[in-house]
Amino acid sequence: SAVISQKPSRDICQRGTSLTIQCQVDSQVTMMFWYRQQPGQSLTLIATANQGSEATYESGFVIDKFPISRPNLTFSTLTVSNMSPEDSSIYLCSVAYRGGTEAFFGQGTRLTVV
Amino acid sequence: GQNIDQPTEMTATEGAIVQINCTYQTSGFNGLFWYQQHAGEAPTFLSYNVLDGLEEKGRFSSFLSRSKGYSYLLLKELQMKDSASYLCAVRAINNAGNMLTFGGGTRLMVKP
Repeated sequence: SAVISQKPSRDICQRGTSLTIQCQVDSQVTMMFWYRQQPGQSLTLIATANQGSEATYESGFVIDKFPISRPNLTFSTLTVSNMSPEDSSIYLCSVAYRGGTEAFFGQGTRLTVV
Repeated sequence: GQNIDQPTEMTATEGAIVQINCTYQTSGFNGLFWYQQHAGEAPTFLSYNVLDGLEEKGRFSSFLSRSKGYSYLLLKELQMKDSASYLCAVRAINNAGNMLTFGGGTRLMVKP
């Protein structure tokens, strides 16, 4: 299993500002993902964080809005840029091991934009 | 792309059995997961199927038919604490590796 530390756990931010969310894993993982979960809805994949290269974004998500870093195999950040109230959501980091049968989730970051 | 469908809500009685269905359409299928998510918490892993058949784990069982693009999660001897959202997720291989896509989730309400 993997122990995932995600920070901050929650934040209230002013519109127009940016927030960087950190995801730290206690072991080297192959895959790291960032998800968004809006109130009452399921999880939507934002991007796959690739170590040493640019993240792979899903349809509807762009790097300028959600820049992602992954400097090594245990750490990644997601930045929510130029925030608006529509960005209010829970952001979740997820990790998986290649060949593994399970994905693990951080506790999430509850973001409120006012 | 992927298309994953599951019922939005279900209600069942404590002590009963409930089956939550999930249908999917995908290319590069590489496994199907069921997760449980209580309100305000992160999803937790319940089961994984990559081959056809039934996987049993205590009160929870999961079934997969790859040819039909169909899975179900079976919960037996329901308890009040089983009230939660149940997420069906399909893993597929893409250029970045394995990618997990979630269905909309089924909100299960267990009543006394």
